[in-house]
Amino acid sequence: DTGVSQDPRHKITKRGQNVTFRCDPISEHNRLYWYRQTLGQGPEFLTYFQNEAQLEKSRLLSDRFSAERPKGSFSTLEIQRTEQGDSAMYLCASSLEAWGYTFGSGTRLTVV
Amino acid sequence: AQSVTQPDIHITVSEGASLELRCNYSYGATPYLFWYVQSPGQGLQLLLKYFSGDTLVQGIKGFEAEFKRSQSSFNLRKPSVHWSDAAEYFCAVGADDMRFGAGTRLTVKP
Repeated sequence: DTGVSQDPRHKITKRGQNVTFRCDPISEHNRLYWYRQTLGQGPEFLTYFQNEAQLEKSRLLSDRFSAERPKGSFSTLEIQRTEQGDSAMYLCASSLEAWGYTFGSGTRLTVV
Repeated sequence: AQSVTQPDIHITVSEGASLELRCNYSYGATPYLFWYVQSPGQGLQLLLKYFSGDTLVQGIKGFEAEFKRSQSSFNLRKPSVHWSDAAEYFCAVGADDMRFGAGTRLTVKP
């Protein structure tokens, strides 16, 4: 069990650019979650996968956001045409059941 | 819709003093409830969870929480706080689309 790994840890990008984040869950976990956390706030749910199927998406996930989990292993979260309001910590978590997630350390995105 | 309220944005306690962090939830059925802790620049670590059964649950690092259905509360407690407990604490409810409160920042005075 090597934990949930997220890459990169930090990303600085110019407004309008596309960015992609990767999450590697704990290997035996079939559920994978993406959350966004802004300063001074709790994590906000974005989306989750059970195996390769994306089962729920928050309305926070605008059409500029897309998430994939090919083959039910790692997942990617892509943000197109980034805006300053996208600056946040993006957290990934995984679990075997529908509770008690294990979180990664997050990817901090800064849009300048 | 499920939601969580943490009424206290910031709490300061002296080292060795007792601690209680408040959490109120809104959920349509029997809730799954959690407390997480987050140190600066780190991910979230699960402290404890409640699904059913005994309403007093024990967690890691000496924390406990009590589920009170009549008050829709799930408050976190610790009898004696250590300086290393200084962090942000989040209460959460639900499963598969878990919702978090805004957090309570704990400062520990020497």
